Parts: sequence; C-alpha cells; structure tokens
Amino acid sequence: GAGVSQSPSNKVTEKGKDVELRCDPISGHTALYWYRQRLGQGLEFLIYFQGNSAPDKSGLPSDRFSAERTGESVSTLTIQRTQQEDSAVYLCASSFGERETQYFGPGTRLLVL
Amino acid sequence: AQKVTQAQTEISVVEKEDVTLDCVYETRDTTYYLFWYKQPPSGELVFLIRRNSFDEQNEISGRYSWNFQKSTSSFNFTITASQVVDSAVYFCALSESSGANSKLTFGKGITLSVRP
Repeated sequence: GAGVSQSPSNKVTEKGKDVELRCDPISGHTALYWYRQRLGQGLEFLIYFQGNSAPDKSGLPSDRFSAERTGESVSTLTIQRTQQEDSAVYLCASSFGERETQYFGPGTRLLVL
Repeated sequence: AQKVTQAQTEISVVEKEDVTLDCVYETRDTTYYLFWYKQPPSGELVFLIRRNSFDEQNEISGRYSWNFQKSTSSFNFTITASQVVDSAVYFCALSESSGANSKLTFGKGITLSVRP
C-alpha cells in the first residue's frame, strides 16, 4: 500500500509570499500530524488532526500558519507572508489511531529567500 | 513537560564495529511510548521501534537491539556489526498517554557515519 505522500518535494519562495504544502496520509489513517524540522534540529510538533478537526494546534509558531484537513484525508498547511526563518523541512505523519505509530512522508523542503 | 535528550551528536565508526546510540527521556506520565526513527540522507523518517512503558523487555531485530531501563529513564539503541547503509540520523522520540494527543517529542538526533 502507498505510504504518506507530500507535495511539493521542494519549494523556493520569496519572503512575503504565501505557500501551501500538501499531505496525503495513508488510507484509513484517522490521525494526521504536521512537524517542522529546521536544519540540524529535531522535529517540532505543529498541529494534530483527528478526522477533520484539529484539537491541538499548540505547536503552530504564529498566526501566519494554518492548516486544514478535508474528507478525513488530505491536509494542507498554509504559511502566509513567509519569512526566512520559516525555511525548514515540513513533515507530515499519519497513524491509524490516536496512540498508534506515526508513519512519515518524505517532507517538503521550503526555502524562503 | 516531556523531554528527550540525545547527548551524542555525531558518531563515526568503521564498518563491522558495534555502536550504541543513547537516549534519555523525561516524563511525568506513568504510561508513555518510546520510539526510534532512522532518517537516511533521502530525508524520509523510517520507523524502527515502538515501546510502551510497561514493557521493559529488551528487543532484538536482526543487527538492531534496544535496551529500555525505566530506572535510568533510558532507551538505548545498539547496532551490531554496523554497515555503511546504517549511516543516517537516528532520532529517539517520546509520546505521553495523558496528553491531548500522541504528538511526538523528539531528541535532536544522532548522526551516525559508518566508514567502509
């Protein structure tokens, strides 16, 4: 079966522009997570979805960041008015249930110039 | 608050050497889960193992083994007879059962280089 997929794999944008990152979880996985990995760092939690609702958005670094999930499937992470410090790899993970093992996608490498 | 510490940042070994990657965690929960993930140069995180806090049995999977000790809050990972393909960044992670969700708290990772 297919794993978690993310698009685009790479994104270069100019400071101030908006970007959208997409995640397709493993089919049937109800839980979906977004993480950010800055260069040489571990992963930081951003947001969690259970179904289409986001009960935990505590990791979103500012109100420029938002995310949604539709059809209990695809999720989109949007960063508005990008800043250079937003440059990072954005990783999506999904799991069968809330306490189950998370499986990660390949990530989107974002570079803000 | 939960925390994971991977004190080693980079390790370099010669092929066929054994290597142990250390992981120390902090949590107030009595029920929690520990994980190891591998991140090869391609960037995708590969799940290696999940352990719950009630299961302290050591685990062996081929050349990989894990030693979980609650008394020292450690969950160490040993690769026996290392190979070049083991070169990657290895992350230890923790999730608590009492949180609103099972988000993972990661250590900063250990970069393992295995030289031929």
